[in-house]
Amino acid sequence: AQSVAQPEDQVNVAEGNPLTVKCTYSVSGNPYLFWYVQYPNRGLQFLLKYITGDNLVKGSYGFEAEFNKSQTSFHLKKPSALVSDSALYFCAVLYGSNRLAFGKGNQVVVIP
Amino acid sequence: NAGVTQTPKFQVLKTGQSMTLQCAQDMNHEYMSWYRQDPGMGLRLIHYSVGAGITDQGEVPNGYNVSRSTTEDFPLRLLSAAPSQTSVYFCASRTSSGKEAFFGQGTRLTVV
Repeated sequence: AQSVAQPEDQVNVAEGNPLTVKCTYSVSGNPYLFWYVQYPNRGLQFLLKYITGDNLVKGSYGFEAEFNKSQTSFHLKKPSALVSDSALYFCAVLYGSNRLAFGKGNQVVVIP
Repeated sequence: NAGVTQTPKFQVLKTGQSMTLQCAQDMNHEYMSWYRQDPGMGLRLIHYSVGAGITDQGEVPNGYNVSRSTTEDFPLRLLSAAPSQTSVYFCASRTSSGKEAFFGQGTRLTVV
């Protein structure tokens, strides 16, 4: 069955430090992977995706993610976190014709 | 473009009442979906559509109906509301080729 795991409930990081949010997946066939961000009382905003090609993908707001097929991981990274990066982050995998499976989400808290 | 528009933003229902959550997109996207978001569970797929006249069940379809008579609109109907349907509901759309989904702002539904 298709699934996404985000093992940490909350990630705390000091402003200016590197930020990593972990994601592992399980899917049949080639994975289409996504990261979304949700700010309070808002919908989800697309950050980046991996469809094919380079394992390192770059997205919005300075975020990037590394696809690792052998470890079935798609960790989100940012070299220097900002207080404004504090939000809820979701990893997702697309399967079937139009089915997105989401992880449970990670609350990121950037401490000034 | 307005993107994906959901109405209403907030709703309180009594147990047993019915209602329709509206979703409209102006991007001419073929694919549309409904999700519910519950704390600690991420987003779960309720129903989805790959085009006008075509719908299918997602992960948690019980108690909900959908129809897709036009490309733009994808309403979600609650037949007889139950407290277990208290949640935040998100509509999303995407093209068949673009893969990433665009989300509405959400409808916060409380069933008492």
